[in-house]
Amino acid sequence: QSALTQPASVSGSPGQSITISCTGTSSDVGGYNYVSWYQQHPGKAPKLMIYDVSHRPSGVSNRFSGSKSGNTASLTISGLQAEDEADYYCSSYTNNSTVVFGGGTKLTVL
Amino acid sequence: EVQLVESGGGLVQPGGSLRLSCAASGFTFSSYWMHWVRQAPGKGLVWVSRIHSDGSSTNYADSVKGRFTISRDNAKNTLYLQMNSLRAEDTAVYYCARGRSTYMDVWGRGTTVTVSS
Repeated sequence: QSALTQPASVSGSPGQSITISCTGTSSDVGGYNYVSWYQQHPGKAPKLMIYDVSHRPSGVSNRFSGSKSGNTASLTISGLQAEDEADYYCSSYTNNSTVVFGGGTKLTVL
Repeated sequence: EVQLVESGGGLVQPGGSLRLSCAASGFTFSSYWMHWVRQAPGKGLVWVSRIHSDGSSTNYADSVKGRFTISRDNAKNTLYLQMNSLRAEDTAVYYCARGRSTYMDVWGRGTTVTVSS
């Protein structure tokens, strides 16, 4: 199972919005509404930000939103804040009954 | 407080074995799927394995299939990962995570496995 494709890095200024893409295939992202997104600060464990494409867990800011079109899912962060600077990973359920992650995207808040 | 605490990591020679444990507390362990995810130094997250809440179903990444075995003891609120025939490329921080079948909503802090001679 190949990793999902994410941009290596994105950046934005405080207050701006950014979008991180996550591209897979019809065997994973495109075939199921089971895309999730995780935030990881350096040296810390990952944190679930979005599940089932667009659902936010309790306690996650509504500045984080998710969507999907075809084989590509997206995470949008609006009103960028300094504490949003982190690595972000998408993941998807696959038709092999496994889970696959993307390669990760480093978000820099300028 | 919901908590997952991994243990059992360490230095092991190539071809060796190691058993990781993950102690769960603060929630009904037997109601959740559990996952193992690893992260090599400086690299991204890689899903390793998952197990159904009652242990009846397990799945593995191709890279570990046949070498790793996931299991759980719901009476002890503990998740395990038996790792055999270890390779240098298995070197990573191993996280256990609670979740549903398709995502992980609570993560432990991880335990480090180093495979080297």
